[in-house]
Amino acid sequence: GENVEQHPSTLSVQEGDSAVIKCTYSDSASNYFPWYKQELGKRPQLIIDIRSNVGEKKDQRIAVTLNKTAKHFSLHITETQPEDSAVYFCAAHEKLTFGTGTRLTIIP
Amino acid sequence: KAGVTQTPRYLIKTRGQQVTLSCSPISGHRSVSWYQQTPGQGLQFLFEYFSETQRNKGNFPGRFSGRQFSNSRSEMNVSTLELGDSALYLCASSLGLAGGYNEQFFGPGTRLTVL
Repeated sequence: GENVEQHPSTLSVQEGDSAVIKCTYSDSASNYFPWYKQELGKRPQLIIDIRSNVGEKKDQRIAVTLNKTAKHFSLHITETQPEDSAVYFCAAHEKLTFGTGTRLTIIP
Repeated sequence: KAGVTQTPRYLIKTRGQQVTLSCSPISGHRSVSWYQQTPGQGLQFLFEYFSETQRNKGNFPGRFSGRQFSNSRSEMNVSTLELGDSALYLCASSLGLAGGYNEQFFGPGTRLTVL
C-alpha cells in the first residue's frame, strides 16, 4: 500500500524566516497531493494542493513543489508569522494516505 | 453552509464495549471519509463511503466498520474496544471521491477514551 513519510517531525523557525517541510510517497499512482494545517484543538484545513501534472503551485506565502520522478513533494512557507504555528500534514491521494505531521513553531 | 458535524464530541468507554460515532457532511457532499488521529501516528485512513457504498478501506481490523445513509450521513462502529482505540476520530466530507482532486472538509472530531 501507499506509504507517506514526512520530515521533520518538529521545526522551529524565527519569525520572518522560511520553513520547508518535505514528504515522500511510494505509490506512483498517487496523483493528488494536498497539505493540511491543524491548529491546536482545531480540525485540519486544506491550505494548498497540487496535482500530479503540475510541478509547482504558489498561493501568497505558501508554495508546494512536486517531483514525480523522485516521488517527493515539499511545502514552503516564506516570511513566517506567529499564526503559522501549527501541525502540518501532507497527503498522497489515490489511497488517502497522510504523513505523520510536522509541528511548526514560529519564534517571535 | 453548515460545516461537517460529528456527534458525540467526547466518549468514554471500557474495554470490550462497542461504540457508534456519527458524521453529518456538508450539504451536497456525497463522500465521507473517516480517520483515526493519535499522537505520533498522524491521520490514519479508516474508510471512505460514497453514495452509500464503501469505496476505499485502510488497514484497520474488522472491528472497525461503517455505513452511509441515503442522506450521506455516516456512522462508524467499533466493536470490542481495546485500550489502543483511544484516539480522536475525524470524519471529512467532499463533493466527490476524496481521491479525485476533491477538497476534504473535516469535522471537529470525536474524542474516544477507552478505559
